[in-house]
Amino acid sequence: DAGVTQSPTHLIKTRGQQVTLRCSPKSGHDTVSWYQQALGQGPQFIFQYYEEEERQRGNFPDRFSGHQFPNYSSELNVNALLLGDSALYLCASSFGLDSYNAGELFFGEGSRLTVL
Amino acid sequence: AQSVTQPDIHITVSEGASLELRCNYSYGATPYLFWYVQSPGQGLQLLLKYFSGDTLVQGIKGFEAEFKRSQSSFNLRKPSVHWSDAAEYFCAVSVRGNAGNNRKLIWGLGTSLAVNP
Repeated sequence: DAGVTQSPTHLIKTRGQQVTLRCSPKSGHDTVSWYQQALGQGPQFIFQYYEEEERQRGNFPDRFSGHQFPNYSSELNVNALLLGDSALYLCASSFGLDSYNAGELFFGEGSRLTVL
Repeated sequence: AQSVTQPDIHITVSEGASLELRCNYSYGATPYLFWYVQSPGQGLQLLLKYFSGDTLVQGIKGFEAEFKRSQSSFNLRKPSVHWSDAAEYFCAVSVRGNAGNNRKLIWGLGTSLAVNP
């Protein structure tokens, strides 16, 4: 049973560029959440996708956007990269929204983004 | 406002010693509480969770946590620490989102655990 997989694992971009990160949820899961984790910090919630729609969003600018596909996989896009966007981006999957399991997340190993 | 506080940024214990990591939360409703562990270079792994019922919950890797409503705390404990327990530990509370029945996790800043041989 494959867990949550993310790609790429590491990438380096320059300011102003755009990046796309990908996530495949754990088998049987239909909800994907994205988190940003800066060095030495806890994860910060970016947004959540369910049924191919963004269901809720954290305090992140519109430069951060996403998508969920019919197979439940998801992408995170960041435009006009800033130095402060350098972080570990974590994808987490869960089953359902209004279930207590929505708070029980399975995480991928993350995509480490460095912006120069 | 909803928040999670982990008062200890860094803790060092000797292998075989007992461990307690503190977590305090602020949330008006009944909380769903979690502890996650993040080993170096890895994603987060759920250690244990509390939804309701028995206030002492058992998790993986020999960890347990006790929910104390009167103290708004959910401290993580382990009777005997192993060198492989060195990692970052995060406490989180699941709260309802802004729309409908969605939930999201509010995270603490984490406690870094070092284990001396």
